[in-house]
Amino acid sequence: KQEVTQIPAALSVPEGENLVLNCSFTDSAIYNLQWFRQDPGKGLTSLLLIQSSQREQTSGRLNASLDKSSGRSTLYIAASQPGDSATYLCAVRRDDKIIFGKGTRLHILP
Amino acid sequence: DTGVSQDPRHKITKRGQNVTFRCDPISEHNRLYWYRQTLGQGPEFLTYFQNEAQLEKSRLLSDRFSAERPKGSFSTLEIQRTEQGDSAMYLCASSLEQDGKETQYFGPGTRLLVL
Repeated sequence: KQEVTQIPAALSVPEGENLVLNCSFTDSAIYNLQWFRQDPGKGLTSLLLIQSSQREQTSGRLNASLDKSSGRSTLYIAASQPGDSATYLCAVRRDDKIIFGKGTRLHILP
Repeated sequence: DTGVSQDPRHKITKRGQNVTFRCDPISEHNRLYWYRQTLGQGPEFLTYFQNEAQLEKSRLLSDRFSAERPKGSFSTLEIQRTEQGDSAMYLCASSLEQDGKETQYFGPGTRLLVL
């Protein structure tokens, strides 16, 4: 059974710092991995999608990496801003099932 | 606005009542997903459609839950005889699967409170 774990559950960092969010999964036979952002009481916004054959994806200040063999992905956020405060979720897809982690609540201190 | 929309955004009901939620996906998307999310948890997969065909159902989807996508466009999720444990955010997502690539786009969700 696929399990997705995100550590830490919560993180507070001063504005301007670079930071890394972690995601691990137990079954490496995944189709892809997706990182999402969720603001309180809202739906999810897709940030980056990494296919199983890819190692990383970049969008602006965000960089996501994927190491399938070790069952890990990281989301790197450069030069953090208060507007980055949100919950960040990773989700892995195998066949038709998508399994989410519980997320990391990120708070950027002004 | 061409994103995924959900209606209603909030629903309060009494235990035992039936409720129905609607999701309108992005128009050209062939896949539509339903998820349930409770506080402090990630979304849990419930079911998904490829066009009008319901291809996968989670064990979380008890007999009281039913979903339809009659014309391969909008979808409805009905919960019969609601229980307090059904209180959650119900999220809908749509995607277009092309060349093995697929990104899901989520709606704002319907927050259900069962009293």
